[in-house]
Amino acid sequence: AQSVTQPDIHITVSEGASLELRCNYSYGATPYLFWYVQSPGQGLQLLLKYFSGDTLVQGIKGFEAEFKRSQSSFNLRKPSVHWSDAAEYFCAVGQLSGSARQLTFGSGTQLTVLP
Amino acid sequence: DSGVTQTPKHLITATGQRVTLRCSPRSGDLSVYWYQQSLDQGLQFLIQYYNGEERAKGNILERFSAQQFPDLHSELNLSSLELGDSALYFCASSSIGPDHTEAFFGQGTRLTVV
Repeated sequence: AQSVTQPDIHITVSEGASLELRCNYSYGATPYLFWYVQSPGQGLQLLLKYFSGDTLVQGIKGFEAEFKRSQSSFNLRKPSVHWSDAAEYFCAVGQLSGSARQLTFGSGTQLTVLP
Repeated sequence: DSGVTQTPKHLITATGQRVTLRCSPRSGDLSVYWYQQSLDQGLQFLIQYYNGEERAKGNILERFSAQQFPDLHSELNLSSLELGDSALYFCASSSIGPDHTEAFFGQGTRLTVV
């Protein structure tokens, strides 16, 4: 069965600093990988996704992620964090079978941004 | 705004009761998903419907059931509620293509069981 591990429960960075959120997955086939962000009281918004091709994917709000098959990782990065990036971030792996779809989420990383 | 509408936003009910959560998917999306987010279990997939038929099932309790209607809206029914059912319930919708297409999430229904 697929699983996702986000080893950092909480990360604090200063505004303007770089950010890397870690994600490791376990999945037997070629993974469909996603990063979602959840702001307080909001639903989940997709930041970026990886299906195939270039292993460095660009997303919204200046985020990028790199798929490394050898390390089973899909880490999220941003070169300069803004105060508005404070939120909870979820990595997910997608399972696909015909028209059946489901996402398995990690436990999330809460990001605090200091002024 | 994701285009996915969930009602109600908040729900407080007593143990043993039954509630119904409603979801309207984005226009054109045939697939609807339900997820539960709780402090101890995190975000868990419950069930997926595609064009009215169940397609995938996750960790959904037998006390919970869902359906998707001909107009594509979906309802999640939770019965014999327990304190542990208190959680944020998300609905998501997507189109279905050859790849794992993006799921758009609603803002959720926060259920509190007292």
